[in-house]
Amino acid sequence: ELKVEQNPLFLSMQEGKNYTIYCNYSTTSDRLYWYRQDPGKSLESLFVLLSNGAVKQEGRLMASLDTKARLSTLHITAAVHDLSATYFCAPSQKLVFGQGTRLTINP
Amino acid sequence: GAGVSQSPRYKVAKRGQDVALRCDPISGHVSLFWYQQALGQGPEFLTYFQNEAQLDKSGLPSDRFFAERPEGSVSTLKIQRTQQEDSAVYLCASSSTSGANTGELFFGEGSRLTVL
Repeated sequence: ELKVEQNPLFLSMQEGKNYTIYCNYSTTSDRLYWYRQDPGKSLESLFVLLSNGAVKQEGRLMASLDTKARLSTLHITAAVHDLSATYFCAPSQKLVFGQGTRLTINP
Repeated sequence: GAGVSQSPRYKVAKRGQDVALRCDPISGHVSLFWYQQALGQGPEFLTYFQNEAQLDKSGLPSDRFFAERPEGSVSTLKIQRTQQEDSAVYLCASSSTSGANTGELFFGEGSRLTVL
């Protein structure tokens, strides 16, 4: 059974700081997805990582995938308030989601 | 339509009532998924369709839950004899690709079910 663990589950940061969210998963998967969810809203796709070593960047967010370590990271650079949301990772195969990381960015 | 559309957005049901939740995926999308999201949790897989075929229903929590997609487009999730623990947001998502390595999912806004 595929298990997905994210950490931290809650993260409060100051604007301008950098931080990394980690996503570990238990069985082989050659791709991984990151989604964002704002309160009361649905999920929005951020990144699709399709191979080992894949790195994608969009604005202040950068995601990477290490399929051998079964680990993906989502790095936030110089955080701004607009990035406050819950972030979910999901390996492929029915897209089993992690518990989510609730990110709050304070001025 | 341009995106995945779900209805109703909000549904309040008395315990024991039957409910039906509708999902209109993006036109032409082969794959359709239903998820259940409890407050503060990640989405949990319920069932998966490839066109009209229900290929995986392993996530349906009980035989009170039933999903169909008879013509390979619109899907309905039906919950019979609702219980309080069924209260959640039910998310529908579609994808243009199929198979085990499914592509990026496009989610609807969800149907929030509250069972009293």
